[in-house]
Amino acid sequence: GAGVSQTPSNKVTEKGKYVELRCDPISGHTALYWYRQSLGQGPEFLIYFQGTGAADDSGLPNDRFFAVRPEGSVSTLKIQRTERGDSAVYLCASSLDPGPSGTQYFGPGTRLLVL
Amino acid sequence: AQTVTQSQPEMSVQEAETVTLSCTYDTSENNYYLFWYKQPPSRQMILVIRQEAYKQQNATENRFSVNFQKAAKSFSLKISDSQLGDTAMYFCAFSVVTNAGKSTFGDGTTLTVKP
Repeated sequence: GAGVSQTPSNKVTEKGKYVELRCDPISGHTALYWYRQSLGQGPEFLIYFQGTGAADDSGLPNDRFFAVRPEGSVSTLKIQRTERGDSAVYLCASSLDPGPSGTQYFGPGTRLLVL
Repeated sequence: AQTVTQSQPEMSVQEAETVTLSCTYDTSENNYYLFWYKQPPSRQMILVIRQEAYKQQNATENRFSVNFQKAAKSFSLKISDSQLGDTAMYFCAFSVVTNAGKSTFGDGTTLTVKP
């Protein structure tokens, strides 16, 4: 079946602009995760959804970052007033079972470049 | 706070040989999971192996095995009979059972398998 998909694959924007990054999880997966991966570093947790609700958003760096999952499937990560430091690969993952016992399946990521 | 340290930024191994990647972590929790993920140059991350902290037996998945030393907070990955397709970035990660969504990753080890 289809894996986790993310669109766009690449996004170039200017400082101060608003961007939306989309994640389509594997069908039936109730848990969805967003990570940010800066160059040369490991993924950094941003937010975790269980169904429609954000179960843990402790990794969002500031109030410019927001994520939604209104119907418990597709999720959108929204970044307002982008800054050059937001440039990174944004990874999405989904799992059938919540928590660490469930295998997280990752998407290919969206590479965001803020000029 | 939980931290994961991978002290080997880069490693190489000859095809068919064995290589061990190191990982140490720090936590005050008792109930957690440890993971090794592989991220090939195409970027999509996949789970290689998972270890539950309460299990003393080391996890094994085909050519991949771990050496889990709970007291030392060490979790190394051994790859036997290395193949060219094993060339990738490998990330060690950690997740506390009571903090269901949040995984903490190390900064990765780039492994190159040479023909």
